[in-house]
Amino acid sequence: QLQLQESGPGLVKPSETLSLTCTVSGASSSSNYYWVWIRQPPGKGLEWIGSISYSGSTYYNPPLKSRVTVSADTSKNQFSLKLTSVTAADTAVYYCARRPFYYGLDVWGQGTTVTVSS
Amino acid sequence: EIVMTQSPATLSVSPGERATLSCRASQSVSSYLAWYQHKPGQAPRLLISGASTRATGIPARFSGSGSGTEFTLTISSLQSEDFAVYYCQQFHSWPLTFGGGTKVEIE
Repeated sequence: QLQLQESGPGLVKPSETLSLTCTVSGASSSSNYYWVWIRQPPGKGLEWIGSISYSGSTYYNPPLKSRVTVSADTSKNQFSLKLTSVTAADTAVYYCARRPFYYGLDVWGQGTTVTVSS
Repeated sequence: EIVMTQSPATLSVSPGERATLSCRASQSVSSYLAWYQHKPGQAPRLLISGASTRATGIPARFSGSGSGTEFTLTISSLQSEDFAVYYCQQFHSWPLTFGGGTKVEIE
């Protein structure tokens, strides 16, 4: 059964870079997926951050685009998120997820809380 | 960007009753619409994709309908485990966008 697990620092200082990794286990070799990052700030709804396809094409949410990089290391079955110049507004639970083409987000990680504070 | 608007923000329902949640898109998303259930401390769970197709393992009491700009999620007979926040999300075009959520609470 496919599982996703987020990892990374739970505390990041303002103006620094938030870095998270999602490890995929039990994955099939199908290329028909996007690998996705979503976040939920405290008391707010879900926000899509960015996606990467099997071929390496990336897609980012415009308000975050200048600060976000999503990358993948297929040899390690991992994909990653980097968010630069963080502020308190980037404090959130960060989720990684899988999205098959023309389908919803069908497998999610458990989420990891990242707090931006000095 | 396609804006997704959900209503109501909060729905108070008694166990065993029917719940009807609405989602509106600012422009047509065809049937590229998903619904998720989200409970505190858990990851969101995909309920419906393609506007009306239940995801694997989702009980039949959850049903979705609609196309274009108007969508509905119906829970036919609310169980105690169904009290949660529900989000719609379009995957018709980038950027992916979510609605603001509907909290289904016990009346």
